[in-house]
Amino acid sequence: AQSVSQHNHHVILSEAASLELGCNYSYGGTVNLFWYVQYPGQHLQLLLKYFSGDPLVKGIKGFEAEFIKSKFSFNLRKPSVQWSDTAEYFCAVRRYNTDKLIFGTGTRLQVFP
Amino acid sequence: DGGITQSPKYLFRKEGQNVTLSCEQNLNHDAMYWYRQDPGQGLRLIYYSQIVNDFQKGDIAEGYSVSREKKESFPLTVTSAQKNPTAFYLCASTLGETQYFGPGTRLLVL
Repeated sequence: AQSVSQHNHHVILSEAASLELGCNYSYGGTVNLFWYVQYPGQHLQLLLKYFSGDPLVKGIKGFEAEFIKSKFSFNLRKPSVQWSDTAEYFCAVRRYNTDKLIFGTGTRLQVFP
Repeated sequence: DGGITQSPKYLFRKEGQNVTLSCEQNLNHDAMYWYRQDPGQGLRLIYYSQIVNDFQKGDIAEGYSVSREKKESFPLTVTSAQKNPTAFYLCASTLGETQYFGPGTRLLVL
């Protein structure tokens, strides 16, 4: 069965540190890839997405992610985190031409000032 | 104000009771989804509907039921057959490839 793995369950950083959250998926065909963020007490919202083209995609709030097809990965990065980035981050994958999103288990990020 | 609304924000269920969670969207989206979020398990798909009067089971449909009588509405009923209903329930809708989420309903069992 298709799965999405987020190996970092809980990440703790100081402000200005660099961030990389891992995401790997198991499906070998064409996929659409997403990162969602859930700030404390707020809706789950889209951070960025990849459908095709340039494998380096930029999202909101200075986040970016790189799709590496050979590694089945879509890692999320930010060069310098802020306290306001404290949230839970979810990677999700959709097989091309299907309607279902498969979510990873999420990574909880805590940023301390 | 457009978007996805879910009500109530908190819901309490007694043993043996069925409860219904509301999800409404005014985005004119075709597809709607229900997920359950548990700590450390991410989001798991309960049911989804691509068009009115049609819906499909997701990965954890047992103990839940849905209806899709109107495009704007996709209510979820948590039945007494669901033995572990305490969770955060998220509704989503899609136009194209991107899903947009509601604020969620937290269900607690008394």
